[in-house]
Amino acid sequence: ETGVTQTPRHLVMGMTNKKSLKCEQHLGHNAMYWYKQSAKKPLELMFVYNFKEQTENNSVPSRFSPECPNSSHLFLHLHTLQPEDSALYLCASSQPWAQLQETQYFGPGTRLLVL
Amino acid sequence: KNQVEQSPQSLIILEGKNCTLQCNYTVSPFSNLRWYKQDTGRGPVSLTIMTFSENTKSNGRYTATLDADTKQSSLHITASQLSDSASYICVVSVTDSWGKFQFGAGTQVVVTP
Repeated sequence: ETGVTQTPRHLVMGMTNKKSLKCEQHLGHNAMYWYKQSAKKPLELMFVYNFKEQTENNSVPSRFSPECPNSSHLFLHLHTLQPEDSALYLCASSQPWAQLQETQYFGPGTRLLVL
Repeated sequence: KNQVEQSPQSLIILEGKNCTLQCNYTVSPFSNLRWYKQDTGRGPVSLTIMTFSENTKSNGRYTATLDADTKQSSLHITASQLSDSASYICVVSVTDSWGKFQFGAGTQVVVTP
């Protein structure tokens, strides 16, 4: 285990549903990330938070809405998704400005299927 | 164009054999290069990390090399085991900017008995 947990691990939802993904890290990091991973593609950065403040929104559609209530928790709220949004959603954390050794630690991911 | 290119895209090897995965990058300047192992349906787990001044780093049967001049890295797996079947991802972090990581698409390795 890397110290980053995600729930649920699997999620099936219809295009009209609203659901939320949860991420929690126990590493004392201040930065948290959401990534989308589709088959045979590099990880796509979606959002970055540092000390609870969003520092990057990588042109993500508004049907994805992040929330970061504190440095340990990160949510991704989903509504009116499309089938092409089906993917593995990964949460990660890191300690900013760790200089040469900055490393991201990933959660196990949520496998999302949109019908 | 992705700044981190990995090859091959996939490979199949017999249990007990060795293999080498390649990573070419254009990210410059960079702080470190890391190899991750990602099992199917799981998050990536770090195997090795090398700063720009390091040439090689080992973690058990995994050995990573780095040539910062040619911007190439390799991951060598020795005496492969069935549990080595996974995707291996090369990630480069950008200097002077926290949280900036460039990911390769990964090499899918299948180890057969």
